[in-house]
Amino acid sequence: QQPVQSPQAVILREGEDAVINCSSSKALYSVHWYRQKHGEAPVFLMILLKGGEQKGHEKISASFNEKKQQSSLYLTASQLSYSGTYFCGTAIQGAQKLVFGQGTRLTINP
Amino acid sequence: DVKVTQSSRYLVKRTGEKVFLECVQDMDHENMFWYRQDPGLGLRLIYFSYDVKMKEKGDIPEGYSVSREKKERFSLILESASTNQTSMYLCASNFGQGRNEQYFGPGTRLTVT
Repeated sequence: QQPVQSPQAVILREGEDAVINCSSSKALYSVHWYRQKHGEAPVFLMILLKGGEQKGHEKISASFNEKKQQSSLYLTASQLSYSGTYFCGTAIQGAQKLVFGQGTRLTINP
Repeated sequence: DVKVTQSSRYLVKRTGEKVFLECVQDMDHENMFWYRQDPGLGLRLIYFSYDVKMKEKGDIPEGYSVSREKKERFSLILESASTNQTSMYLCASNFGQGRNEQYFGPGTRLTVT
């Protein structure tokens, strides 16, 4: 069963903040975040592991709430280059495969 | 530099044709994956392989088969293409276990008419 991402789409002005959520009905071991720009391959952003710390990547960070099986991606002071579709991918303990959410389309306007 | 390549960016085939999509990675990764990407549905796993000649079904394997004869190459086969298989197909690879990032190829846009 796919994790559920919210919102499905968001439009921001440059400099605004965004939060993208990913919820699963399964007990998760890891959550991956990827960004895909139009016409390009998805690119890895970060991974959060069960029992691990919140991760950060420039102005993009993420958290993993193990009790709720939820992860959130935080984009602060968004830049035009942040536009794209964001996917979370989840894995259960021992699994070698990911199950991806349906994606969140982020549009940053000047 | 890490690289996953796919044989075609765009492909047009007729209903009933046998279709081969090829993926090659140069990172000596154990795992390779085939996904299908459709608007609003995200990335759905078709098949994956964790070793040469080893494969496992993903979430939507019906109508597809795969082949992995060499570690670096993973092929997706549509035995008899149908119009509902029109989609973007993405290949990915990584080292073992779900904790490791996946590297994606550029994708093949397949249209079945």
